[in-house]
Amino acid sequence: EAGVAQSPRYKIIEKRQSVAFWCNPISGHATLYWYQQILGQGPKLLIQFQNNGVVDDSQLPKDRFSAERLKGVDSTLKIQPAKLEDSAVYLCASSPHQETQYFGPGTRLLVL
Amino acid sequence: GIQVEQSPPDLILQEGANSTLRCNFSDSVNNLQWFHQNPWGQLINLFYIPSGTKQNGRLSATTVATERYSLLYISSSQTTDSGVYFCGSRLTFGEGTQLTVNP
Repeated sequence: EAGVAQSPRYKIIEKRQSVAFWCNPISGHATLYWYQQILGQGPKLLIQFQNNGVVDDSQLPKDRFSAERLKGVDSTLKIQPAKLEDSAVYLCASSPHQETQYFGPGTRLLVL
Repeated sequence: GIQVEQSPPDLILQEGANSTLRCNFSDSVNNLQWFHQNPWGQLINLFYIPSGTKQNGRLSATTVATERYSLLYISSSQTTDSGVYFCGSRLTFGEGTQLTVNP
């Protein structure tokens, strides 16, 4: 069974630029999550999708972050414009049910 | 929001030793999980344990929801157990315990 795929793996941008991350969950998993993990901290949930609907985006900075999950499969997370404090690893996870989350390898973002 | 505190922040063991990691949370959590993040950054779900005790090989976990804490036990540790162990709910995770197992 293929795991959660994410791309790109690394991205370096300058502040005020835009960036987008892509996630392909495990086939058949209805739930998809995006997390932000700042160095030395635990992951923080940004947004949770159930199929193509948003379940929770209470911790998403909506003035600069947006996410979509078209057709209930792949998802993209966008930051526009980026700030220095957005430097982090962005993790995508999927789940067939509430109990187990399967994480992708993450995208490491550095904002200069 | 719910606060999650993990202890100890750092732990160094010799291979073969046993250890206990603790997770305290400020309010009731109905979807507590434990994860292992390996040195390459990959997060692996270890346990979904809102209450009770579960075991998987050398690892076991216990959550006492009424007292708002959870414990992760690692027995006969191996170098491959090194990494950061996180506990938390879907929304909030602690800052982790950095475990180093030396050969």
